[in-house]
Amino acid sequence: AQKITQTQPGMFVQEKEAVTLDCTYDTSDPSYGLFWYKQPSSGEMIFLIYQGSYDQQNATEGRYSLNFQKARKSANLVISASQLGDSAMYFCAMRPILTGGGNKLTFGTGTQLKVEL
Amino acid sequence: EAGVAQSPRYKIIEKRQSVAFWCNPISGHATLYWYQQILGQGPKLLIQFQNNGVVDDSQLPKDRFSAERLKGVDSTLKIQPAKLEDSAVYLCASSLQGNTDTQYFGPGTRLTVL
Repeated sequence: AQKITQTQPGMFVQEKEAVTLDCTYDTSDPSYGLFWYKQPSSGEMIFLIYQGSYDQQNATEGRYSLNFQKARKSANLVISASQLGDSAMYFCAMRPILTGGGNKLTFGTGTQLKVEL
Repeated sequence: EAGVAQSPRYKIIEKRQSVAFWCNPISGHATLYWYQQILGQGPKLLIQFQNNGVVDDSQLPKDRFSAERLKGVDSTLKIQPAKLEDSAVYLCASSLQGNTDTQYFGPGTRLTVL
């Protein structure tokens, strides 16, 4: 079984500053993928960034980077230069990488980020 | 490229009524997923299709929920009869294949059961 833990129900950050959203996970699968999604108030889940458990380097996508520490089982999202439009709910998710399909995503409970002027 | 389409966006029904949701995945995506997101929680997978076959429906309440993807493209999710606890957002997602590809989500259908 897989489990994702997001311990920060809410976070505040000032515009233009960086913010780190925490995510820890637990799995017995040898190979897995980690994802971060953004969910604005409109409801759509927007894919932000992906990290494979076998990747040697931390993933980056524009202002988003994933601080992956495999030994600690953590996959924190770092947003640099926060913008007002970054205000949203952020979900960490994972899935095993298996052959034959059935690789469902397991989500955390989310962190509500509020960017302030 | 068009994203995942879902309709309706909102639905209000009374308990014991039936309801159906529709999803059209991204063109060319073989895998389609239905998730249920209860307020304050992360999405939970209900069912996964690979083309028109079911890969995983272990968390689908089969006594009241059903889903189909007859031609391997569009999909419908039905609830009959609805219960109060079915109030949630129903998200459809699709991916190119299933094993390693990123899932892209639609805008969701917000269901309220009174």
